[in-house]
This record gives sequence, C-alpha cells and structure tokens, in this order.
Amino acid sequence: DIVMTQSPDSLAVSLGERATINCKSSQSLLHSSNNKNHLAWYQQKPGQPPKLLIYWASTRGSGVPDRFSGSGSGTDFSLTISSLQAEDVAVYYCQQYYYTRTFGQGTKVEVK
Amino acid sequence: EVQLLESGGGLVQPGGSLRLSCAASGFTVSCCAMSWVRQAPGKGLEWVSTFGTSGGDTYYADSVKGRFTISRDSSKNTLYLQMNSLRPEDTAVYYCAKDRPESVWGQGTTVTVSS
Repeated sequence: DIVMTQSPDSLAVSLGERATINCKSSQSLLHSSNNKNHLAWYQQKPGQPPKLLIYWASTRGSGVPDRFSGSGSGTDFSLTISSLQAEDVAVYYCQQYYYTRTFGQGTKVEVK
Repeated sequence: EVQLLESGGGLVQPGGSLRLSCAASGFTVSCCAMSWVRQAPGKGLEWVSTFGTSGGDTYYADSVKGRFTISRDSSKNTLYLQMNSLRPEDTAVYYCAKDRPESVWGQGTTVTVSS
C-alpha cells in the first residue's frame, strides 16, 4: 500500500502570509503511462465534504483561486497558499490516486 | 448540475448490516469511477472502495475487504455500498464521490455502529 505523510499536522499563519504544506508518498506517483503525478489536494471545512483543489500535482480544479498552487514530483509534493485569506481556514489533505486511493492524515490551517 | 445524494445511514448494532445508496444526477454513474470515502468522528479521510470504469472492476480498503460490497445500478443511476459484519470502528460519515481523483462529493450519510 502507498502511504502518504503530511507535514506539519497544523499550521498557524497570519492573514496575507504564505502557507506551505508538504506531502510525501512511500513510492513514486509519477506514472509512466501519462508522465503525470497522480497526486491531488483537497480542502475540507467543518461540516462540509472535501473540495478538490489540485490534481495531477499542479493543476487547479474548477473555480479554485490562483493563490492555491501545487508543486512537486515523484514522492515529494507541496501545496502553497500564497496569501492566506480568512476563508482558507480548513483542513487540507493530499491524496494519491496512482493505485486505488490513500489520503494523508491532514493539515489544519489556522489564522495566527 | 452534477449532484450526489447519499442515504441509508443510521444506528446499527455490531455485527449488523446496512446498505448505503448514492443517487446521482446530472451525469450517469457508469461514465466514471465512483468511490466511497469515510470519515470517523474527529478523524481524517479514509478511502473505502471504488467502482472503476473497466469491466466492473472494484477495489476495497483492507479494513473493509470481505465485509463491504460496492455496486451500481445504471437504470436507477445509483451507487451502493452493502456493509455487513459492521464493527464499532466503521462508525463514520460516508461520502460518495465521482471521478479519479474525486471531483464531486455528496454531503455524506452517518453510520453509527454501537450496542
């Protein structure tokens, strides 16, 4: 099974500042069939289902603000919020979809 | 508009069974990979099962293999999760979701396994 590990578990950032979340997979997520990294990022607010933010490691989902960006390849990935807004307070999960699915444990982002 | 609506959750005793349903609208369930993902109270997301797009292929997490069965009914445009031999650790909100990765999610249905 592919294990996904996020860091940190929680993060407090001032409004307008940058937030970065890291995600490491136990094996490469770069698939030879399409030369893409099978890595997604989700945002979940309390009482709501998750929302897809990023897929293929760096492609923003529909309607996702451009302050959210994804990067990385192989086994190491990052999600960056370039300028934290109050509405970005949430838990963020990385997910591999290289084979079946595995989620990271989640990173809680709060305002400092 | 693409929507998913889960139902069928409730309180069940350990060892009991439940069948969850996920009614789709705005698309056909046979078009896409369809999955169940659960979230225990105060915990993170856990993938449960996926119904793929190739010849009815199905996949399960080790934690539910042999106890849960995913299926779909194209005539009713609905995805199902039959859950047998339920355990207290199966207590969670169960979400259904569309695509790979999961781009559309339902609001979830709550399953509580307790005596």
